[in-house]
Amino acid sequence: KNQVEQSPQSLIILEGKNCTLQCNYTVSPFSNLRWYKQDTGRGPVSLTIMTFSENTKSNGRYTATLDADTKQSSLHITASQLSDSASYICVVSALSGYALNFGKGTSLLVTP
Amino acid sequence: KAGVTQTPRYLIKTRGQQVTLSCSPISGHRSVSWYQQTPGQGLQFLFEYFSETQRNKGNFPGRFSGRQFSNSRSEMNVSTLELGDSALYLCASSLARTGTTHNEQFFGPGTRLTVL
Repeated sequence: KNQVEQSPQSLIILEGKNCTLQCNYTVSPFSNLRWYKQDTGRGPVSLTIMTFSENTKSNGRYTATLDADTKQSSLHITASQLSDSASYICVVSALSGYALNFGKGTSLLVTP
Repeated sequence: KAGVTQTPRYLIKTRGQQVTLSCSPISGHRSVSWYQQTPGQGLQFLFEYFSETQRNKGNFPGRFSGRQFSNSRSEMNVSTLELGDSALYLCASSLARTGTTHNEQFFGPGTRLTVL
């Protein structure tokens, strides 16, 4: 069964600090992995999309890494800002079919 | 370029009623997918429409149905509402089929459905 597990479930950090969110998946055969940011009351917004051959991708202060061998991905946020407070969702798709497999997300709160 | 729009934004219904939600994709996008989001379950895939045909369906009962029109606009219908249907319903549009490599999905703001 294709599964996506995210950790931690929630996280509180001080403004200016860095943090790393984790995503482990069992989706096979792997096609691509996406990280989304979802602000409260809004739809998710794509941060990065990575394929099998890409092991790092950056979008401003957000850097995603992918280890396709261990089926793990991480999202690193540098110098966090209050506006980073949101839910971060990891989504993995398989080569077979077009379905997306969603993690339940990590809720991040950045405090002053 | 206008983003994905969903109407209505908020809806309150009672058990047993039915509801229709609407989604207008970004101009030129042919794929529209629908998702249900609840605090406990996260985002769950309902179905995907591409070129007016349902291409993929999640594990939801037949009370959940949808359609897509020739202009790519999509509607989702839920009949015989249950309390557990209370959720945020999101639609997303993209140029190609959902899950296609480098095919970015753009989400709408969602419709918040409350069933009393």
